[in-house]
Amino acid sequence: AQSVTQPDIHITVSEGASLELRCNYSYGATPYLFWYVQSPGQGLQLLLKYFSGDTLVQGIKGFEAEFKRSQSSFNLRKPSVHWSDAAEYFCAVASSGAGSYQLTFGKGTKLSVIP
Amino acid sequence: IAGITQAPTSQILAAGRRMTLRCTQDMRHNAMYWYRQDLGLGLRLIHYSNTAGTTGKGEVPDGYSVSRANTDDFPLTLASAVPSQTSVYFCASSQGFYNEQFFGPGTRLTVL
Repeated sequence: AQSVTQPDIHITVSEGASLELRCNYSYGATPYLFWYVQSPGQGLQLLLKYFSGDTLVQGIKGFEAEFKRSQSSFNLRKPSVHWSDAAEYFCAVASSGAGSYQLTFGKGTKLSVIP
Repeated sequence: IAGITQAPTSQILAAGRRMTLRCTQDMRHNAMYWYRQDLGLGLRLIHYSNTAGTTGKGEVPDGYSVSRANTDDFPLTLASAVPSQTSVYFCASSQGFYNEQFFGPGTRLTVL
């Protein structure tokens, strides 16, 4: 069965600093990977996804993620964090079914941004 | 505006009561999903539906049932609520393989 590990429960960074959120996955086949963001009291919004091809994926809001098969990782990065990036971030891996797919989520990393 | 609506926004429910959480999407997506979110556990899949008329069990299906009579609606029913079902419930939908899952705003359910 697939699984996702986000080792950091809570990260605090200063505004303007760079950010890297870690994600490790376990999946028997070629993984399909996602990063979602959840602002307080809101639903989830897709930041980016990796299906195949270029291992460096660009997303919305200036985020990017790099797929590293050898390390089973899909870390999320942003060169300069803004206060509005404070939220909870979830990494997920997809397993396929007939006509759809199911997401297995990590437990999330809460990002705090200090001025 | 296209998207997913969920009702109610929040609910307090006595244990043993029956409750149906409603979810409607207007994007004509074939697949729909129900997740629960608990602090420190992330989101876990309860049930899903690949297309109208079919449903499947996710990671934590016990105590929950779903139906998919048409494309747009995917209600989640708790036949006899228990306190461990206190959670935030999110409905989602997607079209085809590996396209983005769109999430609703969530329903906060408290079972006393």
